Amino acid sequence: GESVGLHLPTLSVQEGDNSIINCAYSNSASDYFIWYKQESGKGPQFIIDIRSNMDKRQGQRVTVLLNKTVKHLSLQIAATQPGDSAVYFCAEGNQGGKLIFGQGTELSVKP
Amino acid sequence: GAVVSQHPSWVICKSGTSVKIECRSLDFQATTMFWYRQFPKQSLMLMATSNEGSKATYEQGVEKDKFLINHASLTLSTLTVTSAHPEDSSFYICSLYSSGRARLRDNEQFFGPGTRLTVL
Repeated sequence: GESVGLHLPTLSVQEGDNSIINCAYSNSASDYFIWYKQESGKGPQFIIDIRSNMDKRQGQRVTVLLNKTVKHLSLQIAATQPGDSAVYFCAEGNQGGKLIFGQGTELSVKP
Repeated sequence: GAVVSQHPSWVICKSGTSVKIECRSLDFQATTMFWYRQFPKQSLMLMATSNEGSKATYEQGVEKDKFLINHASLTLSTLTVTSAHPEDSSFYICSLYSSGRARLRDNEQFFGPGTRLTVL
């Protein structure tokens, strides 16, 4: 059966719409933050990163926003496509490379 | 980016047996590799940090005698789950870490494809 805490937050969007995935992090001293995409049965795939001294960074179809005041990170995906369907994780990191992963959000794109 | 492989991609074993998972860097010499465990519908949890030529550093709550890590070369790290039990069934993922290397972005990790362990 199902148990509390084993359900990932889900976000369902229509193909072509923009998606915004949010993440709250815990360590205000983290040096950098990374968004990963994980498809079922596969390892995480790097999407975009941002250093702690920045508040915005743009990539191809993706933008990451960092709000250090409230320890919040967001990933914006423009013109979401069915191939974007996956679980998205934020991770916070420090020198030495250790990453602490957030809970994850499952993105479902409806054609 | 770096290419990371894991072997096997999946394994089913009986309770009480030991299982070895290999993590190989195919085109990059990694001084540091990380091992993660991921239960269904959950996030990745760091188990240990594997440094080439030295003992691994384990996260709190991870039994070092149960999860043996060997990082014998710059291209290979192994995780052995000893006396596996059903609660050890999980998705095990390794990653390579780059620190200031020219070929990789600073602080970037490259993840392997994962190994699905099922203990009966």
